[in-house]
Amino acid sequence: DQQVKQNSPSLSVQEGRISILNCDYTNSMFDYFLWYKKYPAEGPTFLISISSIKDKNEDGRFTVFLNKSAKHLSLHIVPSQPGDSAVYFCAARYAGGTSYGKLTFGQGTILTVHP
Amino acid sequence: NAGVTQTPKFQVLKTGQSMTLQCAQDMNHEYMSWYRQDPGMGLRLIHYSVGAGITDQGEVPNGYNVSRSTTEDFPLRLLSAAPSQTSVYFCASRETGYSPLHFGNGTRLTVT
Repeated sequence: DQQVKQNSPSLSVQEGRISILNCDYTNSMFDYFLWYKKYPAEGPTFLISISSIKDKNEDGRFTVFLNKSAKHLSLHIVPSQPGDSAVYFCAARYAGGTSYGKLTFGQGTILTVHP
Repeated sequence: NAGVTQTPKFQVLKTGQSMTLQCAQDMNHEYMSWYRQDPGMGLRLIHYSVGAGITDQGEVPNGYNVSRSTTEDFPLRLLSAAPSQTSVYFCASRETGYSPLHFGNGTRLTVT
């Protein structure tokens, strides 16, 4: 049972335009959400996060939006640059019991930004 | 500051062989974990540890063992390799429950 889903395996955008990556989750016990970026032959690196008590968090060109009622979050990249081409994973932190804040990841979305 | 270091980068095993994937971090993080990445499946948690001497299972623990004798090291052991364990393995650590995970660069394992 995939509790965190990224339903778009890939996304292609033109340089300078907006990239919107989406993520849906099913577990109401998730209290913190993160986005990671991964280049080939490297480990994922942290990009941006958002607490469940907020609905928006910005960091430069990157903004994450959280809609708790819809159990949906999205990552906006504006403007998109060729160097943003990578795999993007969303992740959710489980707050309950003895989980020690385990992260559950989505399947990833391959973003390609064309010059 | 090296961060999270994984060795080897690549490994080919025959079915039934055993091996240990090494992971070391120099950030004094208490929490360490192992993930595997497979196409269409994202990153799935294998085992994790919240400190030396304490380990627990993640989503996909079968076929793997871990131990945590020091804060720095968290090796992952494959007891009897199977083709289904062909994957890219990532070790990660973090400082606190809300800190982001720091990942190593992965070990690509092929089991034939």
